[in-house]
Amino acid sequence: QSALTQPASVSGSPGQSITISCTGTSSDLGSYNLVSWYQQHPGKAPKLMIYEVNKRPSGVSNRFSGSKSGNTASLTISGLQAEDEAGYYCCSYATRSTWMFGGGTRLTVL
Amino acid sequence: QVQLVESGGGVVQPGRSLRLSCAASGFTFSSYPIHWVRQAPGKGLEWVAIISYDGTNRYYADSVKGRFTISRDNSKNTLFLQMNSLRAEDTAVYYCARVRWNDGAFDMWGQGTMVTVSS
Repeated sequence: QSALTQPASVSGSPGQSITISCTGTSSDLGSYNLVSWYQQHPGKAPKLMIYEVNKRPSGVSNRFSGSKSGNTASLTISGLQAEDEAGYYCCSYATRSTWMFGGGTRLTVL
Repeated sequence: QVQLVESGGGVVQPGRSLRLSCAASGFTFSSYPIHWVRQAPGKGLEWVAIISYDGTNRYYADSVKGRFTISRDNSKNTLFLQMNSLRAEDTAVYYCARVRWNDGAFDMWGQGTMVTVSS
């Protein structure tokens, strides 16, 4: 059970767009559409931002979007704002009813 | 109020045991599978275990299999994590998280409880 691969950090200026990738294998992320993304501010619990690859929960800004191609999922944040600065984690269903998270990506808004 | 509240964390010596609880309120607890997820200091999220809505099915990460046991008491709206043979690498904040069975979304999280394994 290895973690999904995410870049350790990304950065962008206010108003810009950034994309965070999340790479798995054909046995996990590539085989299922149960891919979700979580935002976590320091000292806080994670918050659901995207589920089923590209669906947004009620209350989450439409600046957040998700996609998937093959074994890689992506989270795009457009119109970056200061409050977007946080950690972001992808998550996927894997085999035999187990789940796995990515290593996390620290987003810095310059 | 719709929420999950973890408790039971603390400092424990290597090799000892600890039991965490997660109290649910404001929703039909018995309708949802629930996960335990942990986060070591300064590290990322790690999935630990999941239990089905009725407690009949339980699955674990390889890192805790054979040492941790997830269980639930639907009559008391409470989830548990029995942690035995604790190791230093089990030191983490432990979160319980509700999951929607149809789309896999971890849509509600507790605030977490800290477990420190140290001599």
